Amino acid sequence: GQNIDQPTEMTATEGAIVQINCTYQTSGFNGLFWYQQHAGEAPTFLSYNVLDGLEEKGRFSSFLSRSKGYSYLLLKELQMKDSASYLCAALDSNYQLIWGAGTKLIIKP
Amino acid sequence: GAVVSQHPSWVICKSGTSVKIECRSLDFQATTMFWYRQFPKQSLMLMATSNEGSKATYEQGVEKDKFLINHASLTLSTLTVTSAHPEDSSFYICSAQGLADYNEQFFGPGTRLTVL
Repeated sequence: GQNIDQPTEMTATEGAIVQINCTYQTSGFNGLFWYQQHAGEAPTFLSYNVLDGLEEKGRFSSFLSRSKGYSYLLLKELQMKDSASYLCAALDSNYQLIWGAGTKLIIKP
Repeated sequence: GAVVSQHPSWVICKSGTSVKIECRSLDFQATTMFWYRQFPKQSLMLMATSNEGSKATYEQGVEKDKFLINHASLTLSTLTVTSAHPEDSSFYICSAQGLADYNEQFFGPGTRLTVL
């Protein structure tokens, strides 16, 4: 079956760095997305990886290893507004998104 | 660009009534739209995939006669929850397929449905 695993909850300190891991098992693979979702709001796009390696975008970076079925989202210089759920989603061979349950990130002052 | 709107933002209705939710792509044509449901503290659950001009494809366990989807144009898809019951109370989110090569989905702001 298809499956996405990511931690349920993480806590970090303002100004610090946090890495949110995601492992996936899908029927075929056409890329991996990271979305941010604040409570009561719809997800917003953060990143997309389809090739191995690190993609950097400001304070956020995303990494992919296709051979390991693994990705991570790295958030630097954490701000209080980064408190949200972070959703990992893999695009399968039918171009359907398979969603993880999300990681709730709590930022403490 | 790539803005998706949803209307209404929230709705409260009595049990047994029907509720229609609209999803519009404002600045691009979306041949494919997706409808999700999200219960508190859970991830998105895909309900159906809607292609313009054809019948929606429903996920297993989603009743197509209860959740009517119409995708009449390239910019509008509607979800009608028929004979709503309290267990249908949820956050309903639509998304539209992006134009990028990597099939990014652009999400609407969501509709909070509460059935009394």
